[in-house]
Amino acid sequence: SQQGEEDPQALSIQEGENATMNCSYKTSINNLQWYRQNSGRGLVHLILIRSNEREKHSGRLRVTLDTSKKSSSLLITASRAADTASYFCATDQTGANNLFFGTGTRLTVIP
Amino acid sequence: ETGVTQTPRHLVMGMTNKKSLKCEQHLGHNAMYWYKQSAKKPLELMFVYSLEERVENNSVPSRFSPECPNSSHLFLHLHTLQPEDSALYLCASSREQGSTEAFFGQGTRLTVV
Repeated sequence: SQQGEEDPQALSIQEGENATMNCSYKTSINNLQWYRQNSGRGLVHLILIRSNEREKHSGRLRVTLDTSKKSSSLLITASRAADTASYFCATDQTGANNLFFGTGTRLTVIP
Repeated sequence: ETGVTQTPRHLVMGMTNKKSLKCEQHLGHNAMYWYKQSAKKPLELMFVYSLEERVENNSVPSRFSPECPNSSHLFLHLHTLQPEDSALYLCASSREQGSTEAFFGQGTRLTVV
């Protein structure tokens, strides 16, 4: 399979806590992207990390990439109820020229 | 609001019907995509258009027929669908095919009865 795999499949935390989601993939990549999807809606791009980058920040988001382990993590700090959504990683794989998405992590932030 | 608009938002159709899904973007993007999202499955890439030319068809049954009349519009024509085709159909666009950020529409929730 060319898709990434997110872990865990579901995560439930209290508001104010940090949420960490992981993504593993199998092939070499040009970049890896994280997207968010509210229930039944379209996906919204959050952050892109290139294969030569190890860490990237955007507001309360922190993304890491370990190409040797073919894995990435998304950390959301000081979570809010509005962060409740599904989060997907997408890999831009070398030579494929398309994005491949995983099944996502369903995050629930309890107020 | 991502700049990619899909209509209709919801569609219920019988197995003998013919319907079309529409996607529109005025972001100046050169690539447009159709994805299918079913419960508990990864997003499935169906079709890719780059500069109005179809560059990828991922083994999609012929009952799904895409059309890209210009760089701003993408259609998915549906005919004689099956109940298992019920899903959320997402359109996306990007500046160029592949490596850049994708902008998604809100999707069309399709139910085949």
